[in-house]
Amino acid sequence: QKEVEQDPGPLSVPEGAIVSLNCTYSNSAFQYFMWYRQYSRKGPELLMYTYSSGNKEDGRFTAQVDKSSKYISLFIRDSQPSDSATYLCAMSDRKGDMRFGAGTRLTVKP
Amino acid sequence: DARVTQTPRDKVTEMGQEVTMRCQPILGHNTVFWYRQTMMQGLELLAYFRNRAPLDDSGMPKDRFSAEMPDATLATLKIQPSEPRDSAVYFCASGPPAGETQYFGPGTRLLVL
Repeated sequence: QKEVEQDPGPLSVPEGAIVSLNCTYSNSAFQYFMWYRQYSRKGPELLMYTYSSGNKEDGRFTAQVDKSSKYISLFIRDSQPSDSATYLCAMSDRKGDMRFGAGTRLTVKP
Repeated sequence: DARVTQTPRDKVTEMGQEVTMRCQPILGHNTVFWYRQTMMQGLELLAYFRNRAPLDDSGMPKDRFSAEMPDATLATLKIQPSEPRDSAVYFCASGPPAGETQYFGPGTRLLVL
């Protein structure tokens, strides 16, 4: 079993839809949780970073962490074609040892 | 606008040749990571450094790969000799001293023929 599980998709939604992306993990030592967005032929770009359980909102993006269930989510409201990318979840422990999910490929159709 | 920079952006070489990839981390960051990304395997950690000292290179094939940080502003990843299976995108990332996040460079796209 991988330490971080993420459905690779692909996921296709119409413009304006709410997108839900999820990851589960098995290592309770993970304390920091991140979402990266990667456009084709680009490096991963840090999108959201959270430390504790709960929600963090930034514009149309909301990151949610449930440590008791070892489950994290990223919600995208009013999705746009420009949101089409691969989204990778990542998590690290206090030593900075980071693990990435496989990435979910999202397409938002106009 | 602080960014991780990587050179070259693209590299095509023949099997058996030496390949050197370079990375300039963000100023003030003390951790540097090398990753390889392929469609099949996703992002794989090859090596990482903290304060220029190698902490973990267990993900790297040691017979052909080597990673160094000659100074705080330069990290290198070398492959000698290169093989077609090394074809991938190689990313460098750097992180601040607190260690909880990483910022990626644009990657070096390597094709070994």
